[in-house]
Amino acid sequence: NFMLTQPHSVSESPGKTVTISCTGSSGSIASNYVQWYQQRPGSAPTTVIYEDNQRPSGVPDRFSGSIDSSSNSASLTISGLKTEDEADYYCQSYDSSNHGVFGTGTKVTVL
Amino acid sequence: QVQLVESGGGLVKPGGSLRLSCAASGFTFSDYYMSWIRQAPGKGLEWVSYISSSGSTIYYADSVKGRFTISRDNAKNSLYLQMNSLRAEDTAVYYCARVSDYWGQGTLVTVSS
Repeated sequence: NFMLTQPHSVSESPGKTVTISCTGSSGSIASNYVQWYQQRPGSAPTTVIYEDNQRPSGVPDRFSGSIDSSSNSASLTISGLKTEDEADYYCQSYDSSNHGVFGTGTKVTVL
Repeated sequence: QVQLVESGGGLVKPGGSLRLSCAASGFTFSDYYMSWIRQAPGKGLEWVSYISSSGSTIYYADSVKGRFTISRDNAKNSLYLQMNSLRAEDTAVYYCARVSDYWGQGTLVTVSS
């Protein structure tokens, strides 16, 4: 089964940059678009990146997404970290059978 | 603005059934793929199912295939999830989402005797 693996947690100080990886277990992660979702405690998820690197309107350009085929991984980078960025982040894509797959989730802590 | 509002959650006994609804507004519902995603208490997100804009293409997670049925009524701007043979492990908040972007606030389904 296709899986997406993320680091359990990352921490950084305000103003710094964090990068969250999302590594595919098999196949090519570039075969299907990757989305990234932010979930603050007690709230529904919201989309911060769709189609690998597109930002929905209202999402600040401090959020960016990329794909690295050589490592079969996607990345979400948050620059100029703010306390409001403290949340869980999930990557999501599809397997070869068109089934949705979510990453394991990463807790971002702003120190 | 885009709004997705789920309803129909609640407490149900194992083996029972429940039908979730999602009312969509603020966009042309019939143009978009829609999905259901769930989150068990304290756990991560789990993709459940999606349906194409016309309803002709449907996929399910293996964990719900044969028990859950996704459907839509484009005339009513509504998405549905019929859940049968419910199990304790189906206990979760169920989110309706426009594929890849907007999410609803979720509805809690609790399966317990």
